[in-house]
Amino acid sequence: TAGITQAPTSQILAAGRSMTLRCTQDMRHNAMYWYRQDLGLGLRLIHYSNTAGTTGKGEVPDGYSVSRANTDDFPLTLASAVPSQTSVYFCASSEHQRDTDTQYFGPGTRLTVL
Amino acid sequence: GQNIDQPTEMTATEGAIVQINCTYQTSGFNGLFWYQQHAGEAPTFLSYNVLDGLEEKGRFSSFLSRSKGYSYLLLKELQMKDSASYLCAVMDSNYQLIWGAGTKLIIKP
Repeated sequence: TAGITQAPTSQILAAGRSMTLRCTQDMRHNAMYWYRQDLGLGLRLIHYSNTAGTTGKGEVPDGYSVSRANTDDFPLTLASAVPSQTSVYFCASSEHQRDTDTQYFGPGTRLTVL
Repeated sequence: GQNIDQPTEMTATEGAIVQINCTYQTSGFNGLFWYQQHAGEAPTFLSYNVLDGLEEKGRFSSFLSRSKGYSYLLLKELQMKDSASYLCAVMDSNYQLIWGAGTKLIIKP
C-alpha cells in the first residue's frame, strides 16, 4: 500500500498567492493531521481532523484552512501566503485521534514563500 | 506551558551504544513516543511507552519514568544508517502530540 502521499514535493510561491497542499491516505484511518517543521523547533500541529466531516485547530492554525470531505483526503490551503509560512509541511494519519494510536507520516512538502 | 527538552546533537562511534534523553512537562500524559527522522524524510515510529520501565525492541530500547518526567532512547550496536534525528513526543490530556525539537545523532566510523 502507498500509505500517505503528499503533493507537491516542493514548491516556491510568491507572497500573497494561494496554494493547496494535497494529502491522501489509503489506510482508512479516521484521524488526519497537518504539521509544520521548522529548524530548531519541534513539529507543530496546524489543523487536525478526527473523522470525515470534522476539523479542529492545532497550535498554529492562523493563515491555514483545511477540509475533510471524505476519509482519504485532507488538503491544507494557504489563502494568502507570507514568508513566515516557509517550512516543511507533513501530513499524518492515525486510526483514531482520541487514542494513543501511532501517527504515520507522509513524505512532506517543502514550501518556500518569497 | 508544555515543554519537551532533548539535546540538539550527539556524536557516537559505529558499534557503540548511545543514550538520548528526553524530559517533559505537559498538561496530562497519555504516553511518550520516539520517532526516527532521516534528513529530508518523514518521521517514522520507533517506540511507545505509557508505563514506567524499559521497552526493548531489537537494537533499540526506550525507558520511561513518569514521576521524573523523563525518558531515554538507547541505541546499541550503532550502525552508520542510524545517523538521523530522533524525535521525542508526548501525548497530552487532549490526545495531541507535543514534540521536542529532535536530537541529531551523528555516527562516526
